[in-house]
Amino acid sequence: DAKTTQPNSMESNEEEPVHLPCNHSTISGTDYIHWYRQLPSQGPEYVIHGLTSNVNNRMASLAIAEDRKSSTLILHRATLRDAAVYYCILRAFDNYGQNFVFGPGTRLSVLP
Amino acid sequence: DTAVSQTPKYLVTQMGNDKSIKCEQNLGHDTMYWYKQDSKKFLKIMFSYNNKELIINETVPNRFSPKSPDKAHLNLHINSLELGDSAVYFCASSYLQGNTEAFFGQGTRLTVV
Repeated sequence: DAKTTQPNSMESNEEEPVHLPCNHSTISGTDYIHWYRQLPSQGPEYVIHGLTSNVNNRMASLAIAEDRKSSTLILHRATLRDAAVYYCILRAFDNYGQNFVFGPGTRLSVLP
Repeated sequence: DTAVSQTPKYLVTQMGNDKSIKCEQNLGHDTMYWYKQDSKKFLKIMFSYNNKELIINETVPNRFSPKSPDKAHLNLHINSLELGDSAVYFCASSYLQGNTEAFFGQGTRLTVV
């Protein structure tokens, strides 16, 4: 199975940008890069996903390296509500049995 | 309307009992999942169903039996509960294709005493 590696924890100051890295050196051509986050005492929630091009939505931006072996989730202005565990996941387009396997993720702390 | 709803939210029960957790999604998704999150906060996939058929069955004791009566429901039945089953259980749903997002329920906190 393709796997991802992320730093265990990161810290950011409120209202500053945050760049959360993810390495996925064994990614295959049909794997989508997904990011989810889990706020305290809640279920995981979708943040963003992409294949090759950078992606933007109301929550975040996803920057994907040209060789697709790494990606970065960008929170443009961190707020206290962004403190959560962020998971980077590879999801095969059409492959049964390889969906949504979560790693330990990155615990993001946001300091006021 | 809640997209993925689980019941109950909290469940406290004694060792040896049998219990069920229900999950329903109203998103029209064809794939549903059960995850277990233990005290160390690791999210482990347990089962996945696509169109009512089992497609992922991780190493889970056979005391755990998922049942999918239709595409919108995936219930988890647990027999002979043990202390180690205490955890938060999350249900999720998505379309099977990897370019779609998944939605998670709010979790069921199971405590076995």
